[in-house]
Amino acid sequence: KNEVEQSPQNLTAQEGEFITINCSYSVGISALHWLQQHPGGGIVSLFMLSSGKKKHGRLIATINIQEKHSSLHITASHPRDSAVYICAVRSVYSGGGADGLTFGKGTHLIIQP
Amino acid sequence: DAGVTQSPTHLIKTRGQQVTLRCSPKSGHDTVSWYQQALGQGPQFIFQYYEEEERQRGNFPDRFSGHQFPNYSSELNVNALLLGDSALYLCASSFRRLNSPLHFGNGTRLTVT
Repeated sequence: KNEVEQSPQNLTAQEGEFITINCSYSVGISALHWLQQHPGGGIVSLFMLSSGKKKHGRLIATINIQEKHSSLHITASHPRDSAVYICAVRSVYSGGGADGLTFGKGTHLIIQP
Repeated sequence: DAGVTQSPTHLIKTRGQQVTLRCSPKSGHDTVSWYQQALGQGPQFIFQYYEEEERQRGNFPDRFSGHQFPNYSSELNVNALLLGDSALYLCASSFRRLNSPLHFGNGTRLTVT
């Protein structure tokens, strides 16, 4: 069974701080997703990666396949970054298609002005 | 270009009743997946539909069923509602190919009393 663990569960930081959220998983994967969920429920896909590093604006996502670990970094954090950040992985043992994701419980991030 | 739309946004039902939730995928997407997210938890995969058939299923009882229509829209049906079915139900659409990026709707908040 694939387990996805995120840390920290909750994080409060000051505006401008560098933020790191971690995700560890237990089985081989074909892809890892970082998702952002705002109050009210809507989820936005931030990154999908299977190796290396991706950057989009102030967000950076990295993955180490050998260590089964990924990190999401936010540079120059802003109050509008406050949200729940969720890591989700697709096991290599899943069937064909674009799903069968296993999700972490999420990291609740609050950026104070 | 409309994204993923779900209806209704909120719903209150009584134990034992039946409920139908609806999802229209992002234009061009042919695969729809449904997730259940309990309060404070990450989403749990319910099932995925492609070509009007259920292709993958998570660990949910037969009370949870679905349908996909020729226009790729989908319904999630839950029979004999339990209090524990209270959750946010999320729909995500994608292309069928492996590791296609996911696009999520804003969800339907179901409360069972």
